[in-house]
Amino acid sequence: DAGVTQSPTHLIKTRGQQVTLRCSPKSGHDTVSWYQQALGQGPQFIFQYYEEEERQRGNFPDRFSGHQFPNYSSELNVNALLLGDSALYLCASSTRDTPEQYFGPGTRLTVT
Amino acid sequence: AQSVTQLGSHVSVSEGALVLLRCNYSSSVPPYLFWYVQYPNQGLQLLLKYTTGATLVKGINGFEAEFKKSETSFHLTKPSAHMSDAAEYFCAVSEGPFNTGTASKLTFGTGTRLQVTL
Repeated sequence: DAGVTQSPTHLIKTRGQQVTLRCSPKSGHDTVSWYQQALGQGPQFIFQYYEEEERQRGNFPDRFSGHQFPNYSSELNVNALLLGDSALYLCASSTRDTPEQYFGPGTRLTVT
Repeated sequence: AQSVTQLGSHVSVSEGALVLLRCNYSSSVPPYLFWYVQYPNQGLQLLLKYTTGATLVKGINGFEAEFKKSETSFHLTKPSAHMSDAAEYFCAVSEGPFNTGTASKLTFGTGTRLQVTL
């Protein structure tokens, strides 16, 4: 049973650039949430996608956007990268009517 | 708004000793509560969850936690620590199902790093 997968594992970008991170949910899951985990901190909720629409959003600027595809996979896009965007980006999947979320291994983004 | 406070950013125990990691939450609605563990350079693994019903919940790897509404606490315990328990532990709270029926966003604490010594 495949768990949540994310790509790439690591990424280095320059300030001002744009980045796209990808996530495939656990088999049978239809909901994808994205979190940002800065070094030494707990994860912070960015947004959640269900039925290809953004359903919940945390306190992140519009530079952060996403998409969900018909196969339930998802992308996180960040425009105009700032040094402060350097973090571990975690994808979590879940299914309707269950409260727990299952996390992928994350993508480590470094902005220089 | 919800929040989680984890007391003690670092906890050190001897192998075989009791593990106690503290978590207090704030929520305006009946909370769902979770403990996750994160090993170096990995994602988060669900240890256990409380939604409704029995307030003492058991999880994987011998961990358990008790929901105490009067104390707004959800402390994590394990009777006997093992070297493999060394990791970062996160307590999280959510508001229960979102209006779409999907899981509500998780609000995490800042984590407690558990060190296990010989």
